[in-house]
Amino acid sequence: DTAVSQTPKYLVTQMGNDKSIKCEQNLGHDTMYWYKQDSKKFLKIMFSYNNKELIINETVPNRFSPKSPDKAHLNLHINSLELGDSAVYFCASIGLNTEAFFGQGTRLTVV
Amino acid sequence: AQSVTQLGSHVSVSEGALVLLRCNYSSSVPPYLFWYVQYPNQGLQLLLKYTTGATLVKGINGFEAEFKKSETSFHLTKPSAHMSDAAEYFCAVLPEDYKLSFGAGTTVTVRA
Repeated sequence: DTAVSQTPKYLVTQMGNDKSIKCEQNLGHDTMYWYKQDSKKFLKIMFSYNNKELIINETVPNRFSPKSPDKAHLNLHINSLELGDSAVYFCASIGLNTEAFFGQGTRLTVV
Repeated sequence: AQSVTQLGSHVSVSEGALVLLRCNYSSSVPPYLFWYVQYPNQGLQLLLKYTTGATLVKGINGFEAEFKKSETSFHLTKPSAHMSDAAEYFCAVLPEDYKLSFGAGTTVTVRA
């Protein structure tokens, strides 16, 4: 059983489109994150939810909107995609033992 | 805000040689500290973590790190590099607000 799973793994889309990335964790963790990893491998935190409540909202364009229907799921919706949105997006969850588990990533390519 | 600085974006070592990756954190209160490894086209995997207690922390794959409060450092070492250690390594800090932040990463290459 995969602890943190993201879908899709690859996403190629045209500028201006709207797309979503889904994330699910089966670890019973309360806190989940979205990170963006750019071409230089830098990991930037975007959002964090704790038990469905938004607790971290970094300076991210409002075209990005996270949604957490329950504490096991954290989805990322992106409107009006731009070339600069091309990156690898990682979902992660963390529990009381402070160990963060990461998904395999979603490689988004905007053309 | 808490932050981590990794010194050296690239480290190249010979197989069998010591691996040393440097990490310094900025905090007045010791946070939780971590080292993660990322292999190509994969997610991040935890190598080791420091929370409280013993300052020398042992992790997977023969890695260990020492927490030094006086130097605000958490350097990662492995006595003998293996080809399979070639990867991207990230130091991370988890403060009380749970904003898990990463250093810029260090790419490790291992020469045969």
